[in-house]
Amino acid sequence: GAVVSQHPSWVICKSGTSVKIECRSLDFQATTMFWYRQFPKQSLMLMATSNEGSKATYEQGVEKDKFLINHASLTLSTLTVTSAHPEDSSFYICSARDARGIRNTEAFFGQGTRLTVV
Amino acid sequence: RKEVEQDPGPFNVPEGATVAFNCTYSNSASQSFFWYRQDCRKEPKLLMSVYSSGNEDGRFTAQLNRASQYISLLIRDSKLSDSATYLCVVIPGSSNTGKLIFGQGTTLQVKP
Repeated sequence: GAVVSQHPSWVICKSGTSVKIECRSLDFQATTMFWYRQFPKQSLMLMATSNEGSKATYEQGVEKDKFLINHASLTLSTLTVTSAHPEDSSFYICSARDARGIRNTEAFFGQGTRLTVV
Repeated sequence: RKEVEQDPGPFNVPEGATVAFNCTYSNSASQSFFWYRQDCRKEPKLLMSVYSSGNEDGRFTAQLNRASQYISLLIRDSKLSDSATYLCVVIPGSSNTGKLIFGQGTTLQVKP
């Protein structure tokens, strides 16, 4: 399958600081990227959908000013958690798909980023 | 009502057992369905797509019942390595946006 690389795999930061998470599609062009968050023993919850070159669409209840998403190229999307607080500690994971071509349905996941805010 | 619902389990079964998971979805216009597997602290990995005619891949069989809006996953001859959380995933609606909606996941523990 296609490869999606997410970095960093884990990060610990102080409360009030910002953290940037990168998601790269290595061998295909990702026209759409999705950002999910997963708390322990819970499902992956979609936070936002981003299409290359346009603003992200946020799910209800997700603060767009707190979770900044940039999808400036077909291979890179970033999620910045601004002014992080302990309640933002979670597993963040991206997935990417190419809406063109024969494999336009399957989404490929990054390895996830475990964020701990202290 | 959640868009995708699963029994979280856990399902504890002995090696060699057959186990089945069900999942229900609320949007009758949904067109694409998948089962993903997620190991602890890892990203989900696609296990199999679910087609209207059902599909089988080795010990795994997936079925779709559109009338009742549920999908199922059957695992035969369970192995220890099958222990994981199985996520039911739906692409809602008829538009091909690719937005995946996940169920809570069903945890399977296969014991020797």
